[in-house]
Amino acid sequence: NAGVTQTPKFRILKIGQSMTLQCTQDMNHNYMYWYRQDPGMGLKLIYYSVGAGITDKGEVPNGYNVSRSTTEDFPLRLELAAPSQTSVYFCASSPQGALGETQYFGPGTRLLVL
Amino acid sequence: GDSVTQMEGPVTLSEEAFLTINCTYTATGYPSLFWYVQYPGEGLQLLLKATKADDKGSNKGFEATYRKETTSFHLEKGSVQVSDSAVYFCALIDTGGFKTIFGAGTRLFVKA
Repeated sequence: NAGVTQTPKFRILKIGQSMTLQCTQDMNHNYMYWYRQDPGMGLKLIYYSVGAGITDKGEVPNGYNVSRSTTEDFPLRLELAAPSQTSVYFCASSPQGALGETQYFGPGTRLLVL
Repeated sequence: GDSVTQMEGPVTLSEEAFLTINCTYTATGYPSLFWYVQYPGEGLQLLLKATKADDKGSNKGFEATYRKETTSFHLEKGSVQVSDSAVYFCALIDTGGFKTIFGAGTRLFVKA
């Protein structure tokens, strides 16, 4: 099993550009999450999904969109990149939701918006 | 709302020293508690967890005990190694059960 994979590893965007961060898991987990990690800070939840076709906002959803058409994939879309979105983005999944369950993290995507 | 507070880093220790990283939490009900570790350039991975009061989680020589009376989940290791250098995150599952709340992380440097 590859676990949770993310692409790209690193990207530089200009202000106003758009991009999609890809996330795929091969563990058949129902729950998936997107976090951002700013320097010296913990992780903040952007969006999460409890299954295909179902998504919900987390703590910091503004400026992002998600979709979940399959169990495996949970892409994160940035429509109009802003410098405030410079961060490291982590995708995670868990079998049956967060309650008592371990989350499995991808290696992260480092995004720089200039 | 629910929150997690960790001691600020960085923490710098010599090899074989004793490690304590403090973590306290605020939550309604009885959350599950976790320690995650992040090695350089990698994503977070679970180190240990405890799901009810007085439970002790342990893994790779690390331990933490769920203390309801002091709302704490301090991480300890008796003898650290250079390979333990990483960022450690304390976390809890919120009472709704869907979201993990993370502390800010504590960076640990272990010198040979």
